[in-house]
Amino acid sequence: AQSVTQPDIHITVSEGASLELRCNYSYGATPYLFWYVQSPGQGLQLLLKYFSGDTLVQGIKGFEAEFKRSQSSFNLRKPSVHWSDAAEYFCAVGSYSGNTPLVFGKGTRLSVIA
Amino acid sequence: DAGITQSPRHKVTETGTPVTLRCHQTENHRYMYWYRQDPGHGLRLIHYSYGVKDTDKGEVSDGYSVSRSKTEDFLLTLESATSSQTSVYFCAISGGERGNTEAFFGQGTRLTVV
Repeated sequence: AQSVTQPDIHITVSEGASLELRCNYSYGATPYLFWYVQSPGQGLQLLLKYFSGDTLVQGIKGFEAEFKRSQSSFNLRKPSVHWSDAAEYFCAVGSYSGNTPLVFGKGTRLSVIA
Repeated sequence: DAGITQSPRHKVTETGTPVTLRCHQTENHRYMYWYRQDPGHGLRLIHYSYGVKDTDKGEVSDGYSVSRSKTEDFLLTLESATSSQTSVYFCAISGGERGNTEAFFGQGTRLTVV
């Protein structure tokens, strides 16, 4: 069965510091991988996605993620965090055909301190 | 937001009463989903639809039913609401004409069962 693990429930970083959020997945076929962000009281917004090709993908708001098949990981990174990045981040895995629902990790809450 | 409207946005109901949440899309996407979001659990799939009148259960479907009589509408019904169904409910869509597999989310419905 497909699953997603986000090992860190809560991370606190200083503004301007770099960020890495971890995501590990389990999937029997070629995975499609996603990162979503959720601000308080809002729905989920897609940050970036990986389907194939270059394993380093760029997203919105200065985020990037790297797909590592050997480690079953899809970690999200940002070189310099802004206070507005404080939110909850979800990693998700889906199928190539798109006919099965996305499976989400439990999320990582990011706090940003001055 | 990708043309997804959830209604109502907030609802308080009494234990034992039936409740229906509505998701309406204007994107003509094939797939529609209902997730619930609870602290510590991330997003869990309740039911999904892969076409008009075609639905299937997710991992937390007990106590819920769905219907999809038109492409644009996906209804979630709590047959007899319980306090454990207090949650935030998100509708999502995917599978547009370009075959994109990412999901687009509504703003959520906060349901409180008292």
